[in-house]
Amino acid sequence: SQQGEEDPQALSIQEGENATMNCSYKTSINNLQWYRQNSGRGLVHLILIRSNEREKHSGRLRVTLDTSKKSSSLLITASRAADTASYFCAHSSTNDYKLSFGAGTTVTVRA
Amino acid sequence: DTAVSQTPKYLVTQMGNDKSIKCEQNLGHDTMYWYKQDSKKFLKIMFSYNNKELIINETVPNRFSPKSPDKAHLNLHINSLELGDSAVYFCASSQGSGSPGELFFGEGSRLTVL
Repeated sequence: SQQGEEDPQALSIQEGENATMNCSYKTSINNLQWYRQNSGRGLVHLILIRSNEREKHSGRLRVTLDTSKKSSSLLITASRAADTASYFCAHSSTNDYKLSFGAGTTVTVRA
Repeated sequence: DTAVSQTPKYLVTQMGNDKSIKCEQNLGHDTMYWYKQDSKKFLKIMFSYNNKELIINETVPNRFSPKSPDKAHLNLHINSLELGDSAVYFCASSQGSGSPGELFFGEGSRLTVL
């Protein structure tokens, strides 16, 4: 399977804390992306990191990519209740045209 | 304006029926997709069209037939519905062709087969 894997499956933190989730994949990639899904809603793109990049920031989000380990991490700093959602990584392999998603990490931020 | 819109949002039907889900994007994108999300939130690609041409057809039963009348529309027709078809179906679009960049998703269509 070309699906990615995410870790942990679920995460519960206090407002103001940081949340870190990891993603692994098996193929060579063109890019890796992170998405957020609020309950009952569609997925929303957060950040895209290319295979030749190692780190990227967007607001309170920080994404790292280690192509030698075939892994990525998403860090959300100073979490807020509104960050409660499922977070998915998705990778675009070099040998096909599809974006393959991981199983997601469910993040709950407690007020 | 909604960028990627799907209808209907909810669909409840009996086993054996045929149903369709429609998708439209107003972003001017060249590529559209159908994804299926199961009860464990696992998201799997089903089909992808680029400028009305089918480019990805995953291992999906041939009861599922996508149709793209133009590059702004991608519909999904499902024949002889089965219990296992119950899921949330997401339409998405992206700019260009080849390796996908950012995908824009619709709000999903929740299909329940009784």
